[in-house]
Amino acid sequence: ILNVEQSPQSLHVQEGDSTNFTCSFPSSNFYALHWYRWETAKSPEALFVMTLNGDEKKKGRISATLNTKEGYSYLYIKGSQPEDSATYLCAHGDKIIFGKGTRLHILP
Amino acid sequence: SAVISQKPSRDICQRGTSLTIQCQVDSQVTMMFWYRQQPGQSLTLIATANQGSEATYESGFVIDKFPISRPNLTFSTLTVSNMSPEDSSIYLCSVRAGELFFGEGSRLTVL
Repeated sequence: ILNVEQSPQSLHVQEGDSTNFTCSFPSSNFYALHWYRWETAKSPEALFVMTLNGDEKKKGRISATLNTKEGYSYLYIKGSQPEDSATYLCAHGDKIIFGKGTRLHILP
Repeated sequence: SAVISQKPSRDICQRGTSLTIQCQVDSQVTMMFWYRQQPGQSLTLIATANQGSEATYESGFVIDKFPISRPNLTFSTLTVSNMSPEDSSIYLCSVRAGELFFGEGSRLTVL
């Protein structure tokens, strides 16, 4: 993997359900992995910055894991709420290279 | 943390014109970053604005097309010159303190 890749591109989830999505990045010369949430008409907001293999971080109902050896990170949202609707961006490296994001829609 | 004000928030521009986006930070920072997100694409770094020296541009971006000013440690401007429809994007300025802090973006539509 040469770039940061995120999947799926778009996701519809029923309110109350849990969900997760993936970020893949080059596993060589790992520096840091960032997750951001970008709501419409607002600024992107940092969720997590992760640097250690095996690291797991949590903020409320949102958590993330990191595997630097195989080059992936998962973002989990437990009990989705309407306010979780946003684009979730993953970024990697010293220069912070972004993926295209996963657009999450929570259905009431 | 940092609070970043960016303007305009949106604009519709004619082909061939230029538009300057302003970015104000509530604290002094050494580097400010300008990003672009074209429809369906990644958030892409255009350049790093350094106070007291010329901006550093990423591959594929040039000073003639995206001139940047950085007159002091709290302010920067990005100009999108001689615009074409391909320049229709969201432009974001940001600063870094571990994570990135972003302005609310400037959504440009070029007709």
